[in-house]
Amino acid sequence: KAGVTQTPRYLIKTRGQQVTLSCSPISGHRSVSWYQQTPGQGLQFLFEYFSETQRNKGNFPGRFSGRQFSNSRSEMNVSTLELGDSALYLCASSLSRGQSGELFFGEGSRLTVL
Amino acid sequence: KQEVTQIPAALSVPEGENLVLNCSFTDSAIYNLQWFRQDPGKGLTSLLLIQSSQREQTSGRLNASLDKSSGRSTLYIAASQPGDSATYLCAVRPTSNYQLIWGAGTKLIIKP
Repeated sequence: KAGVTQTPRYLIKTRGQQVTLSCSPISGHRSVSWYQQTPGQGLQFLFEYFSETQRNKGNFPGRFSGRQFSNSRSEMNVSTLELGDSALYLCASSLSRGQSGELFFGEGSRLTVL
Repeated sequence: KQEVTQIPAALSVPEGENLVLNCSFTDSAIYNLQWFRQDPGKGLTSLLLIQSSQREQTSGRLNASLDKSSGRSTLYIAASQPGDSATYLCAVRPTSNYQLIWGAGTKLIIKP
């Protein structure tokens, strides 16, 4: 059974550009959540999607957005990139949105903004 | 406001030792607590998930306990191996908010 797949794994952008990251959850999983991980701030919740609807959003500016497709695949977009957006972006999937759901993470997309 | 603390931030032990990693949280109103490991530059691997109604979970050499009333969880690793070297993170899911609240992690080094 394939795990959570994130693409691309590594990317380099310059300030002002935008980036789109993709996440394919484990087959059958309908909930996808995104996290930003930096050495200084640790893991921070970005947003959560379930059944193509954003269900929860963290404390990030509007430059960070996402969506989920009918096949549960998700994308997140960051516009007008800033140096501080350099981070490891992690996607996690779970079977449902239930409180008992175990999260499974992908390998992450490492974004470097120059 | 829920806060999760992991102490120590780093730990180095010789191979073969049994060890305990700690995770404490300030609000006992949680659905569950999950332990993960993260290798450098990699994603997170789920180790154990403990529901609020459970006291412990075991997987191989790993045993995680949960004491909601005292706001503590421990991850016990038996007979440690160099391959156990990684950062271990705990996260709680509070009942007030669906978002996971994360500890900063414990960086574990097992010396051969």
